[in-house]
Amino acid sequence: ETGVTQTPRHLVMGMTNKKSLKCEQHLGHNAMYWYKQSAKKPLELMFVYNFKEQTENNSVPSRFSPECPNSSHLFLHLHTLQPEDSALYLCASSQDSGGAYNEQFFGPGTRLTVL
Amino acid sequence: GQNIDQPTEMTATEGAIVQINCTYQTSGFNGLFWYQQHAGEAPTFLSYNVLDGLEEKGRFSSFLSRSKGYSYLLLKELQMKDSASYLCAVMDSNYQLIWGAGTKLIIKP
Repeated sequence: ETGVTQTPRHLVMGMTNKKSLKCEQHLGHNAMYWYKQSAKKPLELMFVYNFKEQTENNSVPSRFSPECPNSSHLFLHLHTLQPEDSALYLCASSQDSGGAYNEQFFGPGTRLTVL
Repeated sequence: GQNIDQPTEMTATEGAIVQINCTYQTSGFNGLFWYQQHAGEAPTFLSYNVLDGLEEKGRFSSFLSRSKGYSYLLLKELQMKDSASYLCAVMDSNYQLIWGAGTKLIIKP
């Protein structure tokens, strides 16, 4: 496996379900990110982890709960979601989260549909 | 507030040249990125500009004017595979990326 991988690629869940999204990066990076991408809207940064520590939480509802057990893995735990949470959830990584030139490498995303 | 503007959609012909504009208003500036995203796929890095001027990379070039808060991505010798969304993003004073909504580029034969 190379780059950034995400599982599952597609997920359909009810509003009362609990599910988790997984992201893994094989690039030796220290920073990992969760983004939400909705149609015709800018990417919304949700969470940032740098060296396993959460450094950003952009006013994300508590029904989204991130977990970063190590620098290579990132999870997004989902519970009691709303239909408006349906979107593409992208994971990204970079060498670290500070500094000017910090190219982010993205995973293919999880297409989430909340019924 | 912080804002990135780019056209929603553009259409161009195979073999031609297209310029995708991006204007920004952000709190601070630490560089501007362009990413390409094919439908259903991950965004991939195209270019980074932090100084004024033109950066050329093969068929793709990116230009930046910091005084005008403006950038463009120039694609030459368009190919059908260039049909994708092109995302402009600016790194602000907190080193956080502020993203535009993307420009969907449609290439016609």
